[in-house]
Amino acid sequence: EVQLLESGGGLVQPGGSLRLSCAASGFTFSAYAMSWVRQAPGKGLAWVSTLTGSGGTTYYADSVKGRFTISRDNSKNTLYLQMNSLGAEDTAVYFCAHNSGYDHYYAMDVWGQGTTVTVSS
Amino acid sequence: ENVLTQSPGTLSLSPGERATLSCRASQSVSGSYLAWYQQKPGQAPRLLIYGASSRATGIPDRFSGSGSGTDFTLTISRLEPEDFAVYYCQQYVSSPLTFGGGTKVEIK
Repeated sequence: EVQLLESGGGLVQPGGSLRLSCAASGFTFSAYAMSWVRQAPGKGLAWVSTLTGSGGTTYYADSVKGRFTISRDNSKNTLYLQMNSLGAEDTAVYFCAHNSGYDHYYAMDVWGQGTTVTVSS
Repeated sequence: ENVLTQSPGTLSLSPGERATLSCRASQSVSGSYLAWYQQKPGQAPRLLIYGASSRATGIPDRFSGSGSGTDFTLTISRLEPEDFAVYYCQQYVSSPLTFGGGTKVEIK
């Protein structure tokens, strides 16, 4: 069974940094793209970033490009999201998701429960 | 950016009724790389439909997807109590990947 467990969320001041992690199990981690999707309080889903299985290609939403970095450690079956220069607009629940194939051309078929990031002074 | 517009924003129906949800894209979604997700309060989204019309594993056959190009539809043939939720469409063919704003299906 594919399982995803996010961690690393919390309260951070504006301009600060945070690194989210997503521990994966139940599948061959390096064979699948992985994504981050966020949901601001009371709002809809917003795609943040996707990373191919090998880690060789990254994709970012314009709203986070240059501030966020997605990465993975295939030896630890873990996905990361390094978030810098955080602003109030980044406050959201961040979900880790398993793409059902190698790249972003596959739907997100398994999701973690999410980790909450709050940016506030 | 391919903007997805979902309608209606809210659908008020009774259990047993048919639900028809629309998703319109500002640009053609080539290859029908369109998915539908269901989300209940406090839960993660769940994949229902991928490739515009293929049901994900374990999804009941009362859920069906159709459409191509810029117009897509999710149909729930007979609403069960557990189907009242928010539904999102998403295109995943071109970056930036985009979600629609969601349709809330509520009990009438």
